[in-house]
Amino acid sequence: DQQVKQNSPSLSVQEGRISILNCDYTNSMFDYFLWYKKYPAEGPTFLISISSIKDKNEDGRFTVFLNKSAKHLSLHIVPSQPGDSAVYFCAATLSGGYQKVTFGTGTKLQVIP
Amino acid sequence: GAVVSQHPSWVICKSGTSVKIECRSLDFQATTMFWYRQFPKQSLMLMATSNEGSKATYEQGVEKDKFLINHASLTLSTLTVTSAHPEDSSFYICSARGDRESQPQHFGDGTRLSIL
Repeated sequence: DQQVKQNSPSLSVQEGRISILNCDYTNSMFDYFLWYKKYPAEGPTFLISISSIKDKNEDGRFTVFLNKSAKHLSLHIVPSQPGDSAVYFCAATLSGGYQKVTFGTGTKLQVIP
Repeated sequence: GAVVSQHPSWVICKSGTSVKIECRSLDFQATTMFWYRQFPKQSLMLMATSNEGSKATYEQGVEKDKFLINHASLTLSTLTVTSAHPEDSSFYICSARGDRESQPQHFGDGTRLSIL
């Protein structure tokens, strides 16, 4: 049972435009969400996170939006740059104590120069 | 930022041998380390969680006698794939987390294991 889903396996965006990556989750107990970026043959790199007490968190070009009622979150990258081309994983967990993280299946983003 | 080093990055070995993968947190104390496995075009699947000085907690379906995990110090965890077979070939990734709540996991660069 995939508790965290990224329904778009790939996304292509022109350089300078906005990239929007979507993620849905089914477990209403999740209260902390993360986005990771992964290049081939490397481990994921933490990008940005959001707690369920917020609906938006911004860090530079990256903004994560959380809609708890819809169990949906999204990552916005603006402006998109060719170096942003990678696989992006959405992840969810329960905050506090034992932090087992559940990952989505990933979305491959290609930013076209 | 926090750095997690994983070694080796790539290993090829014969069926039946055991392979040890090391995961080190270089600039922080990792109270918890996680081991993941990733198949091509699939998500990261958590195999086990280990806390320093205690036995690892394995996810359902992961054989603890097959995948031995040791977390002997706050900076080192090892995963040993015992009597490896071709079906164990995969990309194994470790991650580490400090002791602050909501601190994100930091990942190593992974180990590509190929069993002939």
